[in-house]
Amino acid sequence: DIQMTQSPSSVSASVGDRVTITCRASQDISSWLAWYQQKPGKAPRLLISPASNLQSGVPSRFSGSGSGTDFTLTIISLQPEDFATYYCQQASGFPVAFGGGTKVEIK
Amino acid sequence: EVHLLDSGGGLVQPGGSLRLSCAASGFTFSGYAMNWVRQAPGKGLEWVSAISGSGERTYYADSVKGRFTVSRDNSKNTLFLQMKSLSADDTAVYYCAKDGVGQQRDFDYWGQGTLVTVSS
Repeated sequence: DIQMTQSPSSVSASVGDRVTITCRASQDISSWLAWYQQKPGKAPRLLISPASNLQSGVPSRFSGSGSGTDFTLTIISLQPEDFATYYCQQASGFPVAFGGGTKVEIK
Repeated sequence: EVHLLDSGGGLVQPGGSLRLSCAASGFTFSGYAMNWVRQAPGKGLEWVSAISGSGERTYYADSVKGRFTVSRDNSKNTLFLQMKSLSADDTAVYYCAKDGVGQQRDFDYWGQGTLVTVSS
């Protein structure tokens, strides 16, 4: 089974900062990688899939990159509404696996 | 507009059973695989199960295999998760999630979640 490792587990940042989150798969998943945003008490929201494809309605300050085993989610110019937890997910097949999550907190 | 409404959660004793439902609307239900994803209190996301659009193929996480059964009624646009032999480790918010439109196995719409608490 494919394991997903995210880092860091949390990051403190200020409005306007650039934030980078990394995700590593235990084996090659090509570009089959999804990123989600989750706010407290809410369901996750799909941001990017596969790898670098921004979903409709997602602000352009979010971007994704990578292929194979190493992936990155970048948020340029962090906005107040971006403080949340972000998860990567291998989207190549079953069993589906999520990363452990990265909490983006206000500094 | 796509809408998924999870229901059926509640308090159940260890060893007990529970059936979750997810009512779908706003898309051709039979055309998409559906999933269950859970989140224990304060923890991350864990994929639980999936079922193909026709219902012919089902998939399970090792943690629930043999105890949970996923099914769907395409005539009623409803997804189900039958859970048995529940333990405290199954305490979580359970979300139904719709497969995305591409080849990749992502989840583009989610229900609001239903809380399952396993406790005596």
